[in-house]
Amino acid sequence: QVQLVQSGAEVMKPGSSVKVSCKASGDTFSSYAISWVRQAPGQGLEWMGGIIPIFGTTNYAQKFQGRVTITTDESTSTAYMELSSLRSDDTAVYYCARDEISAEYNWFDPWGQGTLVTVSS
Amino acid sequence: DIQMTQSPSSLSASVGDRVTITCRASQTISRFLNWYQQKPGKAPKLLIYAASSLQSGVPSRFSGSGSGTDFTLTISSLQPEDFATYYCQQSYSRTFGQGTKVEIK
Repeated sequence: QVQLVQSGAEVMKPGSSVKVSCKASGDTFSSYAISWVRQAPGQGLEWMGGIIPIFGTTNYAQKFQGRVTITTDESTSTAYMELSSLRSDDTAVYYCARDEISAEYNWFDPWGQGTLVTVSS
Repeated sequence: DIQMTQSPSSLSASVGDRVTITCRASQTISRFLNWYQQKPGKAPKLLIYAASSLQSGVPSRFSGSGSGTDFTLTISSLQPEDFATYYCQQSYSRTFGQGTKVEIK
């Protein structure tokens, strides 16, 4: 049973970058994809992008192209999401999720516990 | 981009009520549709995948239907622990609906 554990909360300055980690356990890391989803306070869910570790291929939502970088370290079964040029409206909880792509259909399960990133001067 | 529109945005219901939430895609997505439940301060939880397949461990009062552009999540008899926000997601390009908050009447 896969479990995803994310890094702790961050407070960042506008214009800086943040890197959030997501450590997987319980299954072969490279056998599935990882997606990142964010949720601004009181708002809905927003898919940011994903990675397939075994191929190293990434796919980003157009909104975040050029500002987000998703990587993995297979030696530690950890995925990372780095968001640059932070603005106040990037304040949100950031989630990682296993992106089940091996079946005909795909879904997100399980999810990490979430990481609050606050952007404030 | 494929847009997902949920309705209603919120609803009030009583324990034991039958609740239906709809999700419409801006273009056909076959059965590439998932449903999630989110409680305050918690990560979303997968309920239904591929439009109508119940995720393991999810109570059978939850069901999903639809294909193409129109989909439905039904809770047959609302329980106290079901008060939450529900999101649909199309899994072609991963986008979510805006959510439906189910509140206690």
